[in-house]
Amino acid sequence: QVQLHQWGAGLLKPSETLSLTCTVSGGSFIGYYWSWIRQPPGKGPEWIGEISHGGSTDYNPSLSSRVTISVDTSKNQFSLKMSSVTAADTAVYFCARTPPGRFCSGIDCYRARRDFDSWGRGTLVTVSS
Amino acid sequence: EIVLTQSPGTLSLSPGERATLSCRASQSVSSRFLAWYQQKPGQAPRLLIYGASSRATGIPDRFSGSGSGTDFTLTISRLEPEDFAVYYCQQYGSSSPYTFGQGTVLEIK
Repeated sequence: QVQLHQWGAGLLKPSETLSLTCTVSGGSFIGYYWSWIRQPPGKGPEWIGEISHGGSTDYNPSLSSRVTISVDTSKNQFSLKMSSVTAADTAVYFCARTPPGRFCSGIDCYRARRDFDSWGRGTLVTVSS
Repeated sequence: EIVLTQSPGTLSLSPGERATLSCRASQSVSSRFLAWYQQKPGQAPRLLIYGASSRATGIPDRFSGSGSGTDFTLTISRLEPEDFAVYYCQQYGSSSPYTFGQGTVLEIK
């Protein structure tokens, strides 16, 4: 059974850089897509961005100017960096997995899954001066 | 960005009853990319339904999903005590980031 273990600093000051890492064990790293998702207290989740095992990234446009997601396939790890944090970035941050698979319509092929079937336990990140 | 609106905000029911949760999208969503999650306090969300109607691995058959276009429904046929939690819908659109609804709290009456 796949497990996602995440870690990183939980208390930051405004303008600092948030840094989190997620290690995948018990399952394949190759072929899946790996996301970061955050959830402010009492609110619904917000997708931050994703990366493939090959390093292709996609980011939420609302955060893309401050976010970098990277991957280290040799360690089955992926990481999140978010610069210039403010109190509005206070949230529980989760790493999560999207299953692989493709479907084709005519000559065009697309990813078959766009959901999150495994999650890390979450890291509370608090931004406060 | 596609906005998902869930209703009701809070649903109060008793064990054994049927629960019907709604998720409405601000524009049409591919059924292939509509999912439902359950979240309990202090835990990560748990995938229940993907592709609008496919149950994820290990999910009991009392959970079912339906819908298309802009209106989707999660139904729990007979509530068990462990089903009381917060439920979120989530979508992906080709011109939109992944987005989640604001959640429905399912509480014991």
